[in-house]
Amino acid sequence: DIQMTQSPSSLSASAGDRVTITCQASQDITDYLNWYQQKPGKVPKLLIYDASNVEIGVPSRFSGSGSGTDFTLTISSLQPEDIATYYCQQYENPSFTFGPGTKVDIK
Amino acid sequence: EVQLVESGGGLVRPGGSLRLSCATSGFTFTWFWMTWVRQAPGQGLEWVANIKQDGSEKYYVDSVKGRFTITRDNAKDSLHLQMNSLRVEDTAVYYCARVVRSGVLDYWGQGTLVAVSS
Repeated sequence: DIQMTQSPSSLSASAGDRVTITCQASQDITDYLNWYQQKPGKVPKLLIYDASNVEIGVPSRFSGSGSGTDFTLTISSLQPEDIATYYCQQYENPSFTFGPGTKVDIK
Repeated sequence: EVQLVESGGGLVRPGGSLRLSCATSGFTFTWFWMTWVRQAPGQGLEWVANIKQDGSEKYYVDSVKGRFTITRDNAKDSLHLQMNSLRVEDTAVYYCARVVRSGVLDYWGQGTLVAVSS
C-alpha cells in the first residue's frame, strides 16, 4: 500500500505570508496527487488535481507542484479565509490514500 | 447542480450493522466511479471504498474488508455502503464523493455520522 506523509503537521503564519506544505509518497505516483482544503466544520473541497492543476474557482494564490514522490502545495499570500486543514491524496492505484493533514492558522 | 446527499447514519452497538445511502442528482451517475471516505472525530480523512461505474470493480481499505460492502443502484442514481460487524473505531462521519479522472474527488456530500458505542 502507498503511504502518504505531510509536513508540517501544523503551522501558524501571518496574513500575506507565503506558505508551503509538502507531501511525500512512499513510492512513485507520477502526478496522481490531489490537494483538498477542509475548513472547520465543513466538507473537504478540491483545490489542486494531478499535482499542479488548479480546480476551477480556486483562488490563484493556490498552486501545486511536484511529481514522483515529492509534492508541494503553496499559498502565495495567506489570507484569513485560508484557515483550514489541507490534505494530499494519491490515486496511483485503484485504492486511494490521504495524507494526515496540515493545519494552517493565522498568527 | 451536482448534489450528493448521504443518509442512514446513527448510533449502533458494536457488532451491529448499518446501511448508508447516497442519493445523487445533477449528473449522469452511470458515467462515474464513486467512493466513500470517512473522518473520525477530530481526525483526518480516510478512504473507505470505491466502485466502478457498472459495479464490476470494488476496492476497500484493509480495515473494512470482509465487513463493509459498497454497491450502487444505477436505476436510482444511488450509492450504498453496507456496514456489518461494526467496531468502535468505525465511528466517523461518512462522506460519499464523485470520482473523476480516475481518482479526483470533485464533489462531496455533507456526510452522515455513524457512532458505534455500547
